[in-house]
Amino acid sequence: NAGVTQTPKFQVLKTGQSMTLQCAQDMNHNSMYWYRQDPGMGLRLIYYSASEGTTDKGEVPNGYNVSRLNKREFSLRLESAAPSQTSVYFCASSVKLGQVFTGELFFGEGSRLTVL
Amino acid sequence: KNQVEQSPQSLIILEGKNCTLQCNYTVSPFSNLRWYKQDTGRGPVSLTIMTFSENTKSNGRYTATLDADTKQSSLHITASQLSDSASYICVVSAIRNYGGSQGNLIFGKGTKLSVKP
Repeated sequence: NAGVTQTPKFQVLKTGQSMTLQCAQDMNHNSMYWYRQDPGMGLRLIYYSASEGTTDKGEVPNGYNVSRLNKREFSLRLESAAPSQTSVYFCASSVKLGQVFTGELFFGEGSRLTVL
Repeated sequence: KNQVEQSPQSLIILEGKNCTLQCNYTVSPFSNLRWYKQDTGRGPVSLTIMTFSENTKSNGRYTATLDADTKQSSLHITASQLSDSASYICVVSAIRNYGGSQGNLIFGKGTKLSVKP
């Protein structure tokens, strides 16, 4: 079972370049998320999509855009990359985000982005 | 403010020894608490979930405890192995969705455990 698949796994960008991180899940989950992980900061939510057709900002949305393409796919776009966006990005999915949520997220392997 | 604090930040132990990781939270209203294990270069994977009514739960050599009164949880690892070297992340779920700033999940910053031979 593939679970959550992210591409690319590694990327080096120059300041000002744009790129899109792709994420797909095959578990029929309703909710999907993008996190970034930096040393000493833990995982921080960038954007999430509670269900197909909806997206919402997380804790650190500035400089990013997202698209919930369909139930399986959720992409993260950096329009003009900055060195502060150097990080490891994780896509995750869950059964359903709602009032009573078990909290189990299924994560991808991560995408390591360096902005020079 | 809803917060999750983990201690220690890092820990080095010898193979075969036991250790305990701590998680204190101020999240309210509390729904559940989950421990994740994150191997180096991988995504986090859930180890166990603790709900309000549960005090102790074991998953092999991992035992999680929850004291909902003091808002504390611990993860105890028995007879550590080299493969236990990882970061352990405590995540608390609130019952209500807090308007989208964090969804309803509050993450700790993790404890990095190194098990040495």
